[in-house]
Amino acid sequence: SQTIHQWPATLVQPVGSPLSLECTVEGTSNPNLYWYRQAAGRGLQLLFYSVGIGQISSEVPQNLSASRPQDRQFILSSKKLLLSDSGFYLCAWSVKAGDTQYFGPGTRLTVL
Amino acid sequence: AQSVAQPEDQVNVAEGNPLTVKCTYSVSGNPYLFWYVQYPNRGLQFLLKYITGDNLVKGSYGFEAEFNKSQTSFHLKKPSALVSDSALYFCAVRDDTGFQKLVFGTGTRLLVSP
Repeated sequence: SQTIHQWPATLVQPVGSPLSLECTVEGTSNPNLYWYRQAAGRGLQLLFYSVGIGQISSEVPQNLSASRPQDRQFILSSKKLLLSDSGFYLCAWSVKAGDTQYFGPGTRLTVL
Repeated sequence: AQSVAQPEDQVNVAEGNPLTVKCTYSVSGNPYLFWYVQYPNRGLQFLLKYITGDNLVKGSYGFEAEFNKSQTSFHLKKPSALVSDSALYFCAVRDDTGFQKLVFGTGTRLLVSP
Protein backbone atom coordinates (compact mmCIF):
# COMPACT_ATOMS: atom_id res chain seq x y z
CA SER A 1 0.00 0.00 0.00
CA GLN A 2 1.03 3.60 -0.50
CA THR A 3 2.14 5.89 2.30
CA ILE A 4 3.20 9.51 2.37
CA HIS A 5 5.55 11.03 4.91
CA GLN A 6 6.30 14.61 5.82
CA TRP A 7 8.92 16.00 8.13
CA PRO A 8 9.38 17.71 10.34
CA ALA A 9 5.97 17.65 11.97
CA THR A 10 6.45 21.05 13.56
CA LEU A 11 8.99 23.79 13.00
CA VAL A 12 9.61 27.17 14.58
CA GLN A 13 11.94 29.42 12.61
CA PRO A 14 13.04 33.05 12.88
CA VAL A 15 12.26 35.54 10.15
CA GLY A 16 14.98 35.53 7.50
CA SER A 17 16.09 31.96 8.10
CA PRO A 18 16.04 29.27 5.39
CA LEU A 19 13.45 26.52 5.13
CA SER A 20 13.43 22.96 3.88
CA LEU A 21 10.38 20.71 4.21
CA GLU A 22 10.48 17.21 2.85
CA CYS A 23 7.81 14.88 1.53
CA THR A 24 8.28 11.30 0.40
CA VAL A 25 5.87 8.77 -1.02
CA GLU A 26 6.23 5.00 -0.78
CA GLY A 27 4.55 2.22 -2.70
CA THR A 28 3.96 3.94 -6.02
CA SER A 29 5.95 5.15 -9.02
CA ASN A 30 5.85 8.42 -10.92
CA PRO A 31 3.18 10.02 -8.76
CA ASN A 32 1.91 13.54 -9.25
CA LEU A 33 3.02 15.52 -6.20
CA TYR A 34 1.55 18.65 -4.64
CA TRP A 35 2.37 21.23 -1.97
CA TYR A 36 -0.48 23.09 -0.28
CA ARG A 37 -0.56 25.70 2.44
CA GLN A 38 -3.45 25.95 4.87
CA ALA A 39 -3.79 29.17 6.84
CA ALA A 40 -5.87 29.50 9.99
CA GLY A 41 -7.18 25.93 9.75
CA ARG A 42 -9.31 26.64 6.73
CA GLY A 43 -8.89 26.87 3.01
CA LEU A 44 -6.20 25.13 1.04
CA GLN A 45 -3.93 27.02 -1.31
CA LEU A 46 -2.12 25.01 -3.96
CA LEU A 47 1.49 26.19 -4.07
CA PHE A 48 3.29 23.79 -6.42
CA TYR A 49 2.68 20.60 -8.33
CA SER A 50 4.97 18.20 -10.12
CA VAL A 51 4.30 15.56 -12.75
CA GLY A 52 7.85 14.16 -12.78
CA ILE A 53 11.45 14.55 -11.67
CA GLY A 54 12.63 18.11 -12.13
CA GLN A 55 9.21 19.26 -13.40
CA ILE A 56 7.73 21.87 -11.10
CA SER A 57 4.80 24.20 -11.70
CA SER A 58 4.06 27.13 -9.42
CA GLU A 59 0.53 28.25 -8.81
CA VAL A 60 1.19 31.53 -7.05
CA PRO A 61 4.17 33.91 -6.88
CA GLN A 62 5.72 33.75 -3.46
CA ASN A 63 8.74 33.45 -1.27
CA LEU A 64 8.87 29.67 -1.66
CA SER A 65 10.28 27.22 -4.18
CA ALA A 66 9.93 23.50 -4.74
CA SER A 67 12.13 20.77 -6.11
CA ARG A 68 11.75 17.11 -7.01
CA PRO A 69 15.18 15.53 -6.99
CA GLN A 70 13.86 11.96 -7.01
CA ASP A 71 10.70 10.32 -8.28
CA ARG A 72 9.03 10.09 -4.88
CA GLN A 73 10.62 13.04 -3.10
CA PHE A 74 9.25 16.57 -3.06
CA ILE A 75 10.93 19.42 -1.22
CA LEU A 76 9.61 22.84 -0.29
CA SER A 77 12.23 25.52 0.34
CA SER A 78 12.79 29.14 1.09
CA LYS A 79 15.99 31.17 1.29
CA LYS A 80 14.55 33.72 3.73
CA LEU A 81 11.34 33.14 5.63
CA LEU A 82 8.72 35.84 6.13
CA LEU A 83 6.17 36.08 8.90
CA SER A 84 3.48 35.44 6.31
CA ASP A 85 5.00 32.03 5.53
CA SER A 86 3.58 30.65 8.78
CA GLY A 87 0.95 27.99 8.26
CA PHE A 88 0.21 24.32 7.91
CA TYR A 89 1.95 22.79 4.91
CA LEU A 90 0.48 19.71 3.31
CA CYS A 91 2.00 17.43 0.73
CA ALA A 92 -0.21 15.21 -1.41
CA TRP A 93 0.12 12.69 -4.22
CA SER A 94 -2.11 11.27 -6.92
CA VAL A 95 -1.75 8.65 -9.62
CA LYS A 96 -2.63 11.16 -12.31
CA ALA A 97 -3.88 14.71 -12.63
CA GLY A 98 -7.50 15.17 -11.62
CA ASP A 99 -7.56 11.94 -9.67
CA THR A 100 -7.99 11.44 -5.94
CA GLN A 101 -5.23 13.12 -3.95
CA TYR A 102 -3.85 11.52 -0.80
CA PHE A 103 -2.43 13.81 1.82
CA GLY A 104 0.46 13.56 4.22
CA PRO A 105 0.22 14.42 7.93
CA GLY A 106 1.41 18.00 7.41
CA THR A 107 4.06 20.32 8.85
CA ARG A 108 3.12 23.16 11.19
CA LEU A 109 5.48 26.08 10.47
CA THR A 110 5.64 29.08 12.76
CA VAL A 111 7.82 32.00 11.73
CA LEU A 112 8.67 34.38 14.57
CA ALA B 1 -13.46 28.16 -14.05
CA GLN B 2 -14.60 25.25 -11.94
CA SER B 3 -15.49 26.01 -8.32
CA VAL B 4 -17.28 24.66 -5.28
CA ALA B 5 -19.07 26.52 -2.53
CA GLN B 6 -19.65 25.37 1.02
CA PRO B 7 -22.28 27.80 2.29
CA GLU B 8 -22.04 26.87 5.97
CA ASP B 9 -18.98 27.68 8.07
CA GLN B 10 -20.23 25.39 10.81
CA VAL B 11 -22.86 22.71 11.24
CA ASN B 12 -24.04 21.60 14.68
CA VAL B 13 -25.82 18.31 15.20
CA ALA B 14 -26.61 16.09 18.17
CA GLU B 15 -25.12 12.62 18.34
CA GLY B 16 -27.43 10.06 16.78
CA ASN B 17 -29.13 12.58 14.51
CA PRO B 18 -28.62 12.63 10.74
CA LEU B 19 -26.12 15.12 9.41
CA THR B 20 -25.78 17.00 6.13
CA VAL B 21 -22.85 19.12 5.00
CA LYS B 22 -23.67 21.13 1.92
CA CYS B 23 -21.66 21.66 -1.25
CA THR B 24 -22.64 23.23 -4.55
CA TYR B 25 -20.51 23.23 -7.65
CA SER B 26 -19.98 25.17 -10.84
CA VAL B 27 -18.39 23.38 -13.79
CA SER B 28 -18.37 23.71 -17.53
CA GLY B 29 -18.54 19.99 -18.24
CA ASN B 30 -19.15 16.79 -16.32
CA PRO B 31 -18.22 17.23 -12.66
CA TYR B 32 -15.72 15.12 -10.79
CA LEU B 33 -16.45 15.78 -7.11
CA PHE B 34 -14.72 14.79 -3.91
CA TRP B 35 -15.21 14.96 -0.15
CA TYR B 36 -12.36 15.05 2.36
CA VAL B 37 -12.26 15.23 6.16
CA GLN B 38 -9.57 16.84 8.31
CA TYR B 39 -9.09 16.23 12.01
CA PRO B 40 -7.15 18.81 14.06
CA ASN B 41 -3.50 19.11 13.09
CA ARG B 42 -3.80 16.27 10.60
CA GLY B 43 -3.76 15.93 6.86
CA LEU B 44 -6.90 15.57 4.77
CA GLN B 45 -8.43 12.13 4.47
CA PHE B 46 -10.33 11.08 1.36
CA LEU B 47 -13.96 10.10 2.03
CA LEU B 48 -15.58 9.57 -1.36
CA LYS B 49 -15.83 10.77 -4.93
CA TYR B 50 -18.35 11.04 -7.73
CA ILE B 51 -17.27 10.55 -11.31
CA THR B 52 -20.27 9.09 -13.06
CA GLY B 53 -23.06 6.60 -12.47
CA ASP B 54 -25.21 6.25 -9.38
CA ASN B 55 -26.15 9.58 -7.83
CA LEU B 56 -25.70 8.19 -4.32
CA VAL B 57 -22.05 7.57 -3.55
CA LYS B 58 -21.01 5.61 -0.49
CA GLY B 59 -17.71 6.27 1.21
CA SER B 60 -15.65 5.69 4.31
CA TYR B 61 -16.86 5.78 7.94
CA GLY B 62 -20.54 5.48 6.98
CA PHE B 63 -20.62 8.69 4.95
CA GLU B 64 -22.43 9.05 1.67
CA ALA B 65 -23.02 11.88 -0.76
CA GLU B 66 -25.87 12.65 -3.09
CA PHE B 67 -25.11 14.09 -6.50
CA ASN B 68 -27.91 16.31 -7.83
CA LYS B 69 -27.30 17.63 -11.32
CA SER B 70 -30.35 19.90 -11.48
CA GLN B 71 -29.41 21.61 -8.22
CA THR B 72 -25.64 21.39 -8.91
CA SER B 73 -25.14 20.01 -5.44
CA PHE B 74 -23.09 17.27 -3.84
CA HIS B 75 -24.14 17.16 -0.19
CA LEU B 76 -22.39 14.90 2.30
CA LYS B 77 -24.65 12.88 4.56
CA LYS B 78 -24.61 10.39 7.38
CA PRO B 79 -27.69 8.76 8.91
CA SER B 80 -26.48 8.88 12.51
CA ALA B 81 -23.74 11.27 13.64
CA LEU B 82 -21.01 10.34 16.10
CA VAL B 83 -19.08 12.71 18.37
CA SER B 84 -15.95 11.44 16.63
CA ASP B 85 -17.28 12.82 13.31
CA SER B 86 -16.51 16.31 14.60
CA ALA B 87 -13.96 17.68 12.13
CA LEU B 88 -13.44 20.00 9.17
CA TYR B 89 -14.97 18.83 5.89
CA PHE B 90 -13.88 19.90 2.43
CA CYS B 91 -15.65 19.53 -0.87
CA ALA B 92 -13.53 19.62 -4.03
CA VAL B 93 -14.04 19.60 -7.80
CA ARG B 94 -11.69 18.70 -10.58
CA ASP B 95 -10.69 21.68 -12.67
CA ASP B 96 -10.96 20.56 -16.28
CA THR B 97 -8.86 23.40 -17.62
CA GLY B 98 -5.14 22.91 -17.97
CA PHE B 99 -3.58 20.58 -15.43
CA GLN B 100 -6.84 19.28 -13.93
CA LYS B 101 -5.97 20.22 -10.37
CA LEU B 102 -8.51 19.88 -7.57
CA VAL B 103 -10.25 23.04 -6.44
CA PHE B 104 -11.25 22.92 -2.77
CA GLY B 105 -14.04 24.67 -0.95
CA THR B 106 -13.45 26.76 2.14
CA GLY B 107 -14.44 23.97 4.48
CA THR B 108 -17.30 23.35 6.91
CA ARG B 109 -16.70 22.63 10.56
CA LEU B 110 -18.96 19.88 11.89
CA LEU B 111 -19.59 19.79 15.63
CA VAL B 112 -21.43 16.76 17.00
CA SER B 113 -22.58 17.20 20.58
CA PRO B 114 -23.07 14.26 22.97
